[in-house]
Amino acid sequence: SAVISQKPSRDICQRGTSLTIQCQVDSQVTMMFWYRQQPGQSLTLIATANQGSEATYESGFVIDKFPISRPNLTFSTLTVSNMSPEDSSIYLCSVVAVLAGGPRLTDTQYFGPGTRLTVL
Amino acid sequence: KNQVEQSPQSLIILEGKNCTLQCNYTVSPFSNLRWYKQDTGRGPVSLTIMTFSENTKSNGRYTATLDADTKQSSLHITASQLSDSASYICVVSRNNAGNMLTFGGGTRLMVKP
Repeated sequence: SAVISQKPSRDICQRGTSLTIQCQVDSQVTMMFWYRQQPGQSLTLIATANQGSEATYESGFVIDKFPISRPNLTFSTLTVSNMSPEDSSIYLCSVVAVLAGGPRLTDTQYFGPGTRLTVL
Repeated sequence: KNQVEQSPQSLIILEGKNCTLQCNYTVSPFSNLRWYKQDTGRGPVSLTIMTFSENTKSNGRYTATLDADTKQSSLHITASQLSDSASYICVVSRNNAGNMLTFGGGTRLMVKP
């Protein structure tokens, strides 16, 4: 399994500012994902972050708004830029628990505890 | 269009009772179906994962079924406990890479003493 931690766990921010969310995994993973969960809604994939390449964004999400870094196989950051109240959500990091270069397991999708963001 | 629909949206049961949550999907291609439990303020935690050839899988008091022909799945919770109060999310994946998941809206379960 993979243990995922996120920082901060929650934050309250002012409109127009930016927040960077950190995701740390206790093992090396090839693929990391960032999701958003708006109040009362299910999860929506923002982007896939692969180490050594640019993140791949889903429809409706752009790099200028949600820049992502993936400097190594255990860490990623998501920045929510120029925030507005509509960005108030829980942001979750997720990984596929496959060791880099290792065999694929069956039950491999793990989620972090989430970062609860409120924008005023 | 790839969709996952869950029912009921919410459910209240008494502690010790059983319940069954439903999931219908129209996702193609199909790789696997997962049930997650999400406690309030936490990330989802995997309960079961089933591939096309599996029609039932258990994890303690949780038993998931899959009918790939009718594209339906259910999650049965036996002898419910207060700690079962959470949202249960059905997720269908189109691959094993983790970037082609379709999430259901979830069923919010409340177990009362």
